[in-house]
Amino acid sequence: KAGVTQTPRYLIKTRGQQVTLSCSPISGHRSVSWYQQTPGQGLQFLFEYFSETQRNKGNFPGRFSGRQFSNSRSEMNVSTLELGDSALYLCASSPQGQTGELFFGEGSRLTVL
Amino acid sequence: DQQVKQNSPSLSVQEGRISILNCDYTNSMFDYFLWYKKYPAEGPTFLISISSIKDKNEDGRFTVFLNKSAKHLSLHIVPSQPGDSAVYFCAASEYPGNTPLVFGKGTRLSVIA
Repeated sequence: KAGVTQTPRYLIKTRGQQVTLSCSPISGHRSVSWYQQTPGQGLQFLFEYFSETQRNKGNFPGRFSGRQFSNSRSEMNVSTLELGDSALYLCASSPQGQTGELFFGEGSRLTVL
Repeated sequence: DQQVKQNSPSLSVQEGRISILNCDYTNSMFDYFLWYKKYPAEGPTFLISISSIKDKNEDGRFTVFLNKSAKHLSLHIVPSQPGDSAVYFCAASEYPGNTPLVFGKGTRLSVIA
């Protein structure tokens, strides 16, 4: 069974630009969650989508948004990038929701210059 | 406000000895706890979990202990192996499937041969 796939793996942007990250969950998994990992803050929850609906949202500004498609694939978008958005963005899928065992992708490393 | 705390950023242990990683939480509503392991350039992988109805759960060399009254859990690795060198994240949720996992900042374990 293929794992969670995230693209792109690495990207560099400049302040003010916007970025879109993509996540393909494990086949059959309907829940997709996004986390931001930074060295000082650990993993911080961004949002969770289940059957195309945002079910939970973390404490991030509105510049961070996401969506889920009918095939469970998900995208997250960050607009008006700031230097502090540089981080590893991790996507995780699970069959029904955050039932504990989340299956993570390898992440998308974003650098904002 | 950090609800899940891993107060030791790093830990160094000799091969063959016991590794003990600690985690404290503040939210008394948390009743499901997990440990994840993360290698560089990879996503976190699930290691072991425990629900609040238990105080101990074992899986091979890994044992998690939960002390609800102290709001404290620990992960024991016996015996420690060089391949265990990774960052370990403690995570918690109020109820599996309904609320996002809240992660600690992680502890970097180095097992020295």
